[in-house]
Amino acid sequence: QQQVKQSPQSLIVQKGGISIINCAYENTAFDYFPWYQQFPGKGPALLIAIRPDVSEKKEGRFTISFNKSAKQFSLHIMDSQPGDSATYFCAATLGSSNTGKLIFGQGTTLQVKP
Amino acid sequence: SAVISQKPSRDICQRGTSLTIQCQVDSQVTMMFWYRQQPGQSLTLIATANQGSEATYESGFVIDKFPISRPNLTFSTLTVSNMSPEDSSIYLCSAAPPSWLPYNEQFFGPGTRLTVL
Repeated sequence: QQQVKQSPQSLIVQKGGISIINCAYENTAFDYFPWYQQFPGKGPALLIAIRPDVSEKKEGRFTISFNKSAKQFSLHIMDSQPGDSATYFCAATLGSSNTGKLIFGQGTTLQVKP
Repeated sequence: SAVISQKPSRDICQRGTSLTIQCQVDSQVTMMFWYRQQPGQSLTLIATANQGSEATYESGFVIDKFPISRPNLTFSTLTVSNMSPEDSSIYLCSAAPPSWLPYNEQFFGPGTRLTVL
């Protein structure tokens, strides 16, 4: 029940295209869903996050779509650029509990071809 | 957001030895965490480093193998003890702002890449 399942494992997109990464969770108590971006040799960096009281959040080219009834959420990267090539992790936590424990998805390696 | 640094950035160690990894945050934080990330894999939480008390370990991780210190609100160490090649991994420190902020965002350090021969 603590798992977060992420797909696809890898993704290749042409420059200017839309990259879509999906995650699903089981624990309905999760109430905070961040996405992290990790470049080789670096630590994960917080990209965007959403709470289940909204269905969509947009920050620049990055959008999270959230479907509470389906227990799914996804990251959309519009106008994908070669600089977006990285590994993306979704995560879930009981944010309101202040325990801070993040449950990570398996990760998606994105390659944006010029 | 907090800026987190880790030392060393990488190390190559012999089996049976121990390595202590340092994590320094540029501001006071309530919670600090240690994660392990094996090459090409996701992140797994090792333990939560609590200031002034013992660390809280996740299932599969024990204090004898991964002793943790948290002497103040900006610093923590993780020791990987009696290392074996299976401990070769990236060890990441993270931190979250004071607990009175809702929905704590975690920020990560750059990681320590450990290779055990």
